[in-house]
Amino acid sequence: GDSVTQMEGPVTLSEEAFLTINCTYTATGYPSLFWYVQYPGEGLQLLLKATKADDKGSNKGFEATYRKETTSFHLEKGSVQVSDSAVYFCALSSMNTGFQKLVFGTGTRLLVSP
Amino acid sequence: EPEVTQTPSHQVTQMGQEVILRCVPISNHLYFYWYRQILGQKVEFLVSFYNNEISEKSEIFDDQFSVERPDGSNFTLKIRSTKLEDSAMYFCASSQTGYGYTFGSGTRLTVV
Repeated sequence: GDSVTQMEGPVTLSEEAFLTINCTYTATGYPSLFWYVQYPGEGLQLLLKATKADDKGSNKGFEATYRKETTSFHLEKGSVQVSDSAVYFCALSSMNTGFQKLVFGTGTRLLVSP
Repeated sequence: EPEVTQTPSHQVTQMGQEVILRCVPISNHLYFYWYRQILGQKVEFLVSFYNNEISEKSEIFDDQFSVERPDGSNFTLKIRSTKLEDSAMYFCASSQTGYGYTFGSGTRLTVV
C-alpha cells in the first residue's frame, strides 16, 4: 500500500541555519504530496502541498519540490527561526471516490535554538 | 479563522471502560474524519464520514469503534471497551469538499 518515510528526529539547529527534512514516498498512481506542521498544543496545519511532478510548494519560507523520479518531497528552509520549532509531517493523499485520504509519515521534530 | 474543536484535550480512562471523544467540525463542512497517532508512530487514518454514514474505515476501526454525528454539530468517536493499545492522540478533521482538511488540536487518550 501507499506509504511515507521521513527522517528520524529530532533535528536540532541554531537560528538562521539551513533546514532539510527528507521525505520519500511509495504510491500507486499520482498522489498529491503535503507537509503538515504541528506546533506545541495545536492541531495539524497544512504547511504546503504539491499536486503533480515538478511542482514546488512553498509557504512561510519553506519549500518542497515533488520529485517523481526519486519519489521524494524534501522540506527545505534557508534560514530557520526559533518559532519554527515544531513537528513536521510529510503526507500523501491516496485518492478515493469522493474524498481524500491522507497517509502520513512518523513526523520529524525540529528544535531551533537562539 | 474557523477551527475544528476537540474536547477534552487529555482523557485518562481505565482499561475496559467506554470513552467518547468529541469534535465540533467547521459548520459548513460535510466530510468528517478521525485519525490517530500512537506515540512515536505514524498518524493513521481511522474513518471518514459523509452524509450521515461511514464512507471508508481502516482495519484499525474494528467493532470496538463507532462514530456518530448526533446533533448536526458534534462528531464523536466512541471506543466501547478501551485497551491499553488504544492510548494515542486522536485527531478529528473536517472538509467542505472532501479535499483539503482542517484538523483539530487532538485529544490525548491514556488508557491505564
